[in-house]
Amino acid sequence: GAVVSQHPSWVICKSGTSVKIECRSLDFQATTMFWYRQFPKQSLMLMATSNEGSKATYEQGVEKDKFLINHASLTLSTLTVTSAHPEDSSFYICSARVRGGFEAFFGQGTRLTVV
Amino acid sequence: KNQVEQSPQSLIILEGKNCTLQCNYTVSPFSNLRWYKQDTGRGPVSLTIMTFSENTKSNGRYTATLDADTKQSSLHITASQLSDSASYICVVSDRGSTLGRLYFGRGTQLTVWP
Repeated sequence: GAVVSQHPSWVICKSGTSVKIECRSLDFQATTMFWYRQFPKQSLMLMATSNEGSKATYEQGVEKDKFLINHASLTLSTLTVTSAHPEDSSFYICSARVRGGFEAFFGQGTRLTVV
Repeated sequence: KNQVEQSPQSLIILEGKNCTLQCNYTVSPFSNLRWYKQDTGRGPVSLTIMTFSENTKSNGRYTATLDADTKQSSLHITASQLSDSASYICVVSDRGSTLGRLYFGRGTQLTVWP
């Protein structure tokens, strides 16, 4: 199956700093990428959807100025958590789809801990 | 409201035994249903994906069923192994947009004991 690589797998940062998470589709072109957040024992919650070359669409309640998403190419999307606070600590997962495709391929996830 | 409900929330079985996980959904319209396996601290990995016309699909020791009339699905795991310990997530996609929005269940946490 297609591979989605997410980096880093874990990160610890100080409160107030920014953290960038990368999501790459290694062997296919991802026209659409999704960013999810998952709290312990909870289901994945969609944060935003991004299409290559256009602005991301954010879900209700997700601050677009805090969670900056860039989808500059068909193989790379980034999520930047700006001015991170302890409540932003969570497991962030990206997913990628090919145009018209059913399947959604997930990255390995990034464990963010803000101290 | 589009929802995906899974049961049981958690399950413990002995190695070698079989088990069945359940998924009920109210998502409409319906496009497809997927089962994912998520190991702790990892991203979900696809096990099966079924469309409206498919009733059953197998992937090794995993067999998924779908009853689109009753909006129910099950995932049957045979001859369980220790490596099957993970969260199993049922995901339903709608047909309402070109992107096919995904609705996630909370998952069933399966623990396989030796």
